[in-house]
Amino acid sequence: NAGVTQTPKFQVLKTGQSMTLQCAQDMNHNSMYWYRQDPGMGLRLIYYSASEGTTDKGEVPNGYNVSRLNKREFSLRLESAAPSQTSVYFCASIRQRGYTFGSGTRLTVV
Amino acid sequence: KQEVTQIPAALSVPEGENLVLNCSFTDSAIYNLQWFRQDPGKGLTSLLLIQSSQREQTSGRLNASLDKSSGRSTLYIAASQPGDSATYLCAVPRRNSGAGSYQLTFGKGTKLSVIP
Repeated sequence: NAGVTQTPKFQVLKTGQSMTLQCAQDMNHNSMYWYRQDPGMGLRLIYYSASEGTTDKGEVPNGYNVSRLNKREFSLRLESAAPSQTSVYFCASIRQRGYTFGSGTRLTVV
Repeated sequence: KQEVTQIPAALSVPEGENLVLNCSFTDSAIYNLQWFRQDPGKGLTSLLLIQSSQREQTSGRLNASLDKSSGRSTLYIAASQPGDSATYLCAVPRRNSGAGSYQLTFGKGTKLSVIP
């Protein structure tokens, strides 16, 4: 099925560990986004990529890096995980202002 | 800075009832507003996109209205069903999003429970 695929679905990290969240879309969309969702805070934009080869910071970029590997893939990296990064992470892509979200990665940092 | 508020945070209704979810935003200079649905442990599904030039948008039992001048939108759900139980979020585009980007500012959502 066409859409946005995120891996892994669940992850537990120890403080200081690193990991990369993967996102791929097969809809040929130019723009891709990473959001985090926290209780009481709603969804907040971490980073986005307006097109292949470009990335920009969103509202809460500290502690994260991103790579737009090609048009399909947009990864989010935590270099040194902190408990404050415990959250649900969503990747999304858009076309003509219509958002398609992945099913999310639930990350716990202990 | 745009702020989006959804009240109430949670709502419980008996099956078959018609209901209204509310969304308000502080900067009325928006060019559209979207309503999303989120099921527990799942991603967001777009329900309706209403352009600033529109007053209403309908999809099945759902009807979204937009009043830019008052900074309000409502999502009307007719004849509610247990399957409608989910969290509903509204979102508006951020002003001055970077070139080629389309960033959204989300409300915190209304958690709807439809009781059989």
